[in-house]
Amino acid sequence: SVLAQPPSVSAAPGQSVTISCSGTASNVGSRFVSWYQQLPGRAPKLLIYDNEKRPSGIPDRFSGSKSGMSATLVIAGLQTGDEADYYCGTWDSSLSTGYVFGTGTKVTVL
Amino acid sequence: EGELVESGGGVVQPGGSLRLSCAASGFSISDNYMTWVRQAPGKGLEWVSIIYSGGPTYYADSVKGRFTISRDTSSNTLYLQMQSLRADDTAVYYCARPNMKWGSGALDYWGRGVLVTVSS
Repeated sequence: SVLAQPPSVSAAPGQSVTISCSGTASNVGSRFVSWYQQLPGRAPKLLIYDNEKRPSGIPDRFSGSKSGMSATLVIAGLQTGDEADYYCGTWDSSLSTGYVFGTGTKVTVL
Repeated sequence: EGELVESGGGVVQPGGSLRLSCAASGFSISDNYMTWVRQAPGKGLEWVSIIYSGGPTYYADSVKGRFTISRDTSSNTLYLQMQSLRADDTAVYYCARPNMKWGSGALDYWGRGVLVTVSS
């Protein structure tokens, strides 16, 4: 994986967690970032696109932002159903590199 | 609403071949970029390959020369032909659609995935 994320974050129900995603000038620094949620045993699901936009059906408890070569996902009002792995992702400027994902962050609801 | 359904996974010996299929519905793959992503057991997501709507294809260095992405627009099906398989190709393989109408080209549709196990 090319994009760095913390391995895990945790918080109690109702609290907020922040997940960082650090890249380089050829990916995060020059491209829009997306975020994906992967529940245990399931396929990834798009949560955030274009740094901060939510697809239809995604609650506004999930928010994204980007500054420079880093992006951030915030999950507010944490719920037990939010326990999952979260990945950031973006296209790299190099065609041979293609789409790059973050290392993934496990969110645990205490 | 689009849907993707993969098939063709299974157990194959090292050095063997396998072809994965991804049947799309709700949109035309010929009008879209399509991509394959894989996830080794207990690991993160890894991009594998992409085919542009116009036809060009690109591959991750880890599969270049061994995997081939293609499509059949008449059946709206995406394929991944895998050859010279190695143990480290063992993974769940997902097909996904990059939505190129968005600046991010985010992967908005994903299949459920299909498991490929390379083992003797």
